[in-house]
Amino acid sequence: RKEVEQDPGPFNVPEGATVAFNCTYSNSASQSFFWYRQDCRKEPKLLMSVYSSGNEDGRFTAQLNRASQYISLLIRDSKLSDSATYLCVVNIGGGADGLTFGKGTHLIIQP
Amino acid sequence: NAGVTQTPKFRILKIGQSMTLQCTQDMNHNYMYWYRQDPGMGLKLIYYSVGAGITDKGEVPNGYNVSRSTTEDFPLRLELAAPSQTSVYFCASSYSTLADRSYNEQFFGPGTRLTVL
Repeated sequence: RKEVEQDPGPFNVPEGATVAFNCTYSNSASQSFFWYRQDCRKEPKLLMSVYSSGNEDGRFTAQLNRASQYISLLIRDSKLSDSATYLCVVNIGGGADGLTFGKGTHLIIQP
Repeated sequence: NAGVTQTPKFRILKIGQSMTLQCTQDMNHNYMYWYRQDPGMGLKLIYYSVGAGITDKGEVPNGYNVSRSTTEDFPLRLELAAPSQTSVYFCASSYSTLADRSYNEQFFGPGTRLTVL
């Protein structure tokens, strides 16, 4: 089983809709979780951390399910500018080499 | 703050040539990293450093070397370029403490697109 798995998409979603995608991880010892956003031909940038109790930042909601070993990202009222690749990142902890990146989910918001 | 800067942005190498990818950060971060990203793939860690004078291998170190003589700079060296090293290379940095090593938000540079022909 791969360490961090994401549906590559693309997810084609009309503007204004709500979209959600998940990411599963294999290491139950994983300690911290993140969603990064990567625009085409650009560097990844942190979108939000994922806390055990779930967290929200504007239109974005992230949740963690430790029992089933997945994290999710929900985007409400999607904008054209949300079109990007969303990378799930998991840190198993213990050192600087602990971060594992998923391959990303490609999201396309259509007008 | 400029954040993390990388040079060059693009480079084409011939097989067997060598080059150094430069990376500099001005955020006083102790941790620095080199990743490569192939099309449709996740980022793979090549080398990382937890401080000046300390470097360690990541998941895919073969064919590369690094050094960390200062906090700010973390160059990546390709000695004998091969077509398999065609990729986008990202440098990143973060600040971590022993008490909070698992948090580790990373800041990335804009990347270097390398083609080996």
